[in-house]
Amino acid sequence: DAGVIQSPRHEVTEMGQEVTLRCKPISGHDYLFWYRQTMMRGLELLIYFNNNVPIDDSGMPEDRFSAKMPNASFSTLKIQPSEPRDSAVYFCASSLGGTGVYEQFFGPGTRLTVL
Amino acid sequence: AQRVTQPEKLLSVFKGAPVELKCNYSYSGSPELFWYVQYSRQRLQLLLRHISRESIKGFTADLNKGETSFHLKKPFAQEEDSAMYYCALSAPGRTALIFGKGTTLSVSS
Repeated sequence: DAGVIQSPRHEVTEMGQEVTLRCKPISGHDYLFWYRQTMMRGLELLIYFNNNVPIDDSGMPEDRFSAKMPNASFSTLKIQPSEPRDSAVYFCASSLGGTGVYEQFFGPGTRLTVL
Repeated sequence: AQRVTQPEKLLSVFKGAPVELKCNYSYSGSPELFWYVQYSRQRLQLLLRHISRESIKGFTADLNKGETSFHLKKPFAQEEDSAMYYCALSAPGRTALIFGKGTTLSVSS
């Protein structure tokens, strides 16, 4: 099993452009989480899904951010329009429900740079 | 508000020395506490959770509700322990984890 897969691994874009980050969770996991990591704020939860349904999006910074999970094996995080302050490492993680929900399996992350 | 504080950004110790990574939390109830670790060029992964009361790779962590702390300890550090360590909290019945900002542990010979 390749674990959680994220693409792209690195993204450099210019301010104002649309950015789409992709995530494939571990097969059989029914929770999916999106995190953002910065030096200043550490690791912050943006949104999480259970069985493809968004449960808590209170961490999404503003309307420029949106996330979808059209099926159990794919999720996207979109930023439109992007701004330099969005530069960060974005992680996707997945977990099983029940007692396993807290063992989150993280992807390698996408390093986003907005110029 | 729920908060996790890791006061040290960097902790440097020599091989064989004891290690204590500090974690304090802010929560009025009985949270679940976790330690996650990220080794160089590896993914962030769960190290241990307080409810398991187990030792993983020689590390232990005790939940002290009076001091609202969950410090990670190891009696004798090894070079392979060098990594970024994150303390995390979850409120009962809540799925989301709240992470601290992390502490980088550097073990040198």
